[in-house]
Amino acid sequence: DQQVKQNSPSLSVQEGRISILNCDYTNSMFDYFLWYKKYPAEGPTFLISISSIKDKNEDGRFTVFLNKSAKHLSLHIVPSQPGDSAVYFCAASGNYKLSFGAGTTVTVRA
Amino acid sequence: NAGVTQTPKFRVLKTGQSMTLLCAQDMNHEYMYWYRQDPGMGLRLIHYSVGEGTTAKGEVPDGYNVSRLKKQNFLLGLESAAPSQTSVYFCASSYQRGYNEQFFGPGTRLTVL
Repeated sequence: DQQVKQNSPSLSVQEGRISILNCDYTNSMFDYFLWYKKYPAEGPTFLISISSIKDKNEDGRFTVFLNKSAKHLSLHIVPSQPGDSAVYFCAASGNYKLSFGAGTTVTVRA
Repeated sequence: NAGVTQTPKFRVLKTGQSMTLLCAQDMNHEYMYWYRQDPGMGLRLIHYSVGEGTTAKGEVPDGYNVSRLKKQNFLLGLESAAPSQTSVYFCASSYQRGYNEQFFGPGTRLTVL
């Protein structure tokens, strides 16, 4: 029973445009949310996070939005760059364990 | 600092064989985790440890055992490998409770024939 869902397996976006990745969760006990980025043959690397007491967190080109009532979060990448082509995992934290979504593969077209 | 390292990077086993995957971290982290990644499934937690000498089951523990004899090392064992254990295995560590970010190793690709 997956508690974190990323319903879009892939996303293709033109360089310079906005990428929007979505994530839904079911467990209301989750109190911290993270996005990880993964290149082929490498481990996931931390990208950005947000606490459940906030609704927005920004770090450079990356912004994460949290809507607790809808149990939904999104990651915005503006502007998208070729190096952003990767798999992005949404994760939710509860009791020091992370639950991951299935991932969204982002392809940035030149 | 090397961060989180995993040994080996690749391995092919026959059904019924055993092996141990080694994870090491040099960040003095208390918590360590083993995940497996399968297509369309994301990362699923196999076992984890909240400190030296402690281990606990995660979401998919069957067929695996772990040990944490030293703080910096976390071993994942397969006693009798099955084709269903073909996967990419990731080790991760985090500083302590309350620090949510986990740092991942590069992964071990295991194929069981």
